[in-house]
Amino acid sequence: ETGVTQTPRHLVMGMTNKKSLKCEQHLGHNAMYWYKQSAKKPLELMFVYSLEERVENNSVPSRFSPECPNSSHLFLHLHTLQPEDSALYLCASSQEGFSGGANEQFFGPGTRLTVL
Amino acid sequence: AQKVTQAQTEISVVEKEDVTLDCVYETRDTTYYLFWYKQPPSGELVFLIRRNSFDEQNEISGRYSWNFQKSTSSFNFTITASQVVDSAVYFCALSEVRTGNQFYFGTGTSLTVIP
Repeated sequence: ETGVTQTPRHLVMGMTNKKSLKCEQHLGHNAMYWYKQSAKKPLELMFVYSLEERVENNSVPSRFSPECPNSSHLFLHLHTLQPEDSALYLCASSQEGFSGGANEQFFGPGTRLTVL
Repeated sequence: AQKVTQAQTEISVVEKEDVTLDCVYETRDTTYYLFWYKQPPSGELVFLIRRNSFDEQNEISGRYSWNFQKSTSSFNFTITASQVVDSAVYFCALSEVRTGNQFYFGTGTSLTVIP
């Protein structure tokens, strides 16, 4: 199994649909992340689950809803999205300690989302 | 203000040329971490290097080398004798200790190596 897997790899949905993105990490890490990657923009951190606490970017619309049932799985639930939400959604994981500082994050291949 | 600036949007080089990708960062923390990632066309970001703010020693790994200069807040990445497989988008990122899980990424530099 590769380190971080994401399904589906491609998703096309209408604005009224509800769908979910799934991420699974096989690295034994204790932190997981969702990022949005749009063309010509820096990667945007959407949500972090670290040591079982959730941290979110307050600018993320409520139509994106994360779920982290355990340290290996992360979901991003999508509902009533807008065309501007079309982007590559990347999941990442890392092993975080209590002393602060950041260890490298390992990324999945991403889900290419198109909202019609 | 953007914390990580990669001013070079796109670079093209001919195979076997050396190329340097620039990264300038901004932080008021004394303890921070810098990273470089490679994103090939497949989409997955691949970790290349992590450097903490107290270690200014330059690092070399095969054809890759990194030049960290705190005086100019730069963390540049050089590929020596470039190859077609080096074609990708390269991202520089910053993480500050006080926001340990938050990575600030630059907008990336798209490198094309022409055979």
